[in-house]
Amino acid sequence: DIQMTQSPSSLSASVGDRVTISCRASQGITTYVTWYHQKPGQAPKVLIYAASSLQSGVPSRFSGSGSGTDFTLTISNLQPEDFATYYCQQTYTTPYTFGQGTKLEIK
Amino acid sequence: QVQLVQSGAEVKKPGSSVKVSCKASGGSFNTYDINWVRQAPGHGPEWIGRIMPMFGTASYAQKFQGRVTITADKSTTTVYMDLSRLRSEDTAVYYCARGLFLTVASSETYYFDFWGQGTLVTVSS
Repeated sequence: DIQMTQSPSSLSASVGDRVTISCRASQGITTYVTWYHQKPGQAPKVLIYAASSLQSGVPSRFSGSGSGTDFTLTISNLQPEDFATYYCQQTYTTPYTFGQGTKLEIK
Repeated sequence: QVQLVQSGAEVKKPGSSVKVSCKASGGSFNTYDINWVRQAPGHGPEWIGRIMPMFGTASYAQKFQGRVTITADKSTTTVYMDLSRLRSEDTAVYYCARGLFLTVASSETYYFDFWGQGTLVTVSS
């Protein structure tokens, strides 16, 4: 199975900050990476697909980059509604696997 | 707009089975996959398997092989996930999610774009 290793596991930031979350795949997965955020009691919500494509309706302060094994999610100008848990996922091959999550908290 | 609506919460005894449904509306049922993902309390999501309703073919994560069956009813655009021999570790929220194939910048991709609201399955004696 492909392992997706996210870092950091938790992060404290303030409204208006810029933050970066990383995800490393245990083998090359081209750009088959999706980024989600999730709030308690809700389903994951897609932010970025194909490593760098912004999902319709998602604010442009979210961006993704990377290819192969290393991927990054960047959030610019953090807003109060962005404090949540973030996951990366690979859909290159089954079983589709997720990172362990990054909890973004208000400083 | 695609919507996935799941059945309600379940409480089951260890050793029993649970069947969770996911009704799809909007879009064309025969043009996408439906995946099942679960999330145990305090843990990240875990992929269980998927089905292509057009063909009725399903594939499963090795971990669940022999215990899970995913089926699709094209007449009602509903997908079912049946998990047997339940144990306490199966307590989780179970989600269905649409899997969509796309071409982006001349490259193919696949991702889960719409998710159901989730179904809590509690396994307890």
